[in-house]
Amino acid sequence: DIVLTQSPASLAVSLGQRATISCRASQSVSTSSYSYVHWYQQKPGQPPKLLIKYASNLESGVPARFSGSGSGTDFTLNIHPVEEEDTATYYCQHSWEIPRTFGGGTKLEIK
Amino acid sequence: QVTLKESGPGILQPSQTLSLTCSFSGFSLSTSGMGVGWIRQPSGKGLEWLAHIWWDDNKRYNPALKSRLTISKDTSSNQVFLKIASVDTADTATYFCAHMGDGNYFPYWGQGTLVTVSA
Repeated sequence: DIVLTQSPASLAVSLGQRATISCRASQSVSTSSYSYVHWYQQKPGQPPKLLIKYASNLESGVPARFSGSGSGTDFTLNIHPVEEEDTATYYCQHSWEIPRTFGGGTKLEIK
Repeated sequence: QVTLKESGPGILQPSQTLSLTCSFSGFSLSTSGMGVGWIRQPSGKGLEWLAHIWWDDNKRYNPALKSRLTISKDTSSNQVFLKIASVDTADTATYFCAHMGDGNYFPYWGQGTLVTVSA
């Protein structure tokens, strides 16, 4: 199974600053055309919400302050500038093979 | 507008079979490229993909639970079903179903149904 390791497990970022979340895969999940990593935001009591697909493609309706990058085994979710409503847990997920797996999550607090 | 809603027994005993239903609207599983997946989340913990089914009845299971999982669909009623055999307390979780479109990610999710396994 592909293991997705997210770091940090939690972080606190001041309002208006940048939050950076890392997701490292145990093997490459990229081809020359696509990277099969997707990012979700989950708030307490709610289902996850898709933010970014294929590493860097913003899902429709998601604010442009969210961005994704990376390829191969290293991927990053950036949020800038962070807003109060961004308080949530963020997960990466791969779709390279079966089983699909998710990272362990990163809890973001806004100071 | 795509919507999904999960339903389940709420509580069941160890060794029983868990039956879950995902009722959806806004898309059809008779349309090429459409799929529905099941993901679960124990309280306070991370997400675990369980299985998914495609419009052509192609099914994929998490190997860690494959022997216990059965996914199926009823295209005419816009429902997808998941059965988990021989449950134990480790299967206590919120179970989500999610739409899969032309990509292998989950753009739409149901609100989830909490399942508790307890003697």
